[in-house]
Amino acid sequence: KNEVEQSPQNLTAQEGEFITINCSYSVGISALHWLQQHPGGGIVSLFMLSSGKKKHGRLIATINIQEKHSSLHITASHPRDSAVYICAVGDFGNEKLTFGTGTRLTIIP
Amino acid sequence: DAGVIQSPRHEVTEMGQEVTLRCKPISGHNSLFWYRQTMMRGLELLIYFNNNVPIDDSGMPEDRFSAKMPNASFSTLKIQPSEPRDSAVYFCASNRGTSDSNEQFFGPGTRLTVL
Repeated sequence: KNEVEQSPQNLTAQEGEFITINCSYSVGISALHWLQQHPGGGIVSLFMLSSGKKKHGRLIATINIQEKHSSLHITASHPRDSAVYICAVGDFGNEKLTFGTGTRLTIIP
Repeated sequence: DAGVIQSPRHEVTEMGQEVTLRCKPISGHNSLFWYRQTMMRGLELLIYFNNNVPIDDSGMPEDRFSAKMPNASFSTLKIQPSEPRDSAVYFCASNRGTSDSNEQFFGPGTRLTVL
């Protein structure tokens, strides 16, 4: 079973700061997902990646397969980015996801 | 597209009662997932279906939990009898399933409280 660890568990930053959230896993994966859970509880998929880097607006996700590590970056952070960010990894040959415990991000105006 | 639909959104029940949670996946998606989220354990996969067939139910906690998918547009998760430790948010998700991981689309969740 894959072990997924996220850091930090909690992060508070000022509006405009550059944010980095980290995720590491223990066993080879088919893909890594970054999810965002809003304060109201809804979960949205931000990225799915198996190599390299992806960018959507102010969000950037990178993955290093050899080091079994991924990072989620937020540039020019905004209070509306306040949410819990969850990393999840997929097994080969099936669709099971194993989830990290999440990083609670708070952006202060 | 309405997205993944779950009902009810909130359920409060007493210990020992039967609880049924419902999910309608996105049309055209052929994989459906049931997850449970608690403060202590985070998000956990309970069971997932592909083309209406249960593929992996290893996350189902015990015999009190059962899930069905009678057709491509409907699934249920049943707890009988319910216990206070079942209190959690239950999410349903769907995607265009293949053999490996694909982006999943989550429903709004059902918040279950068992008194």
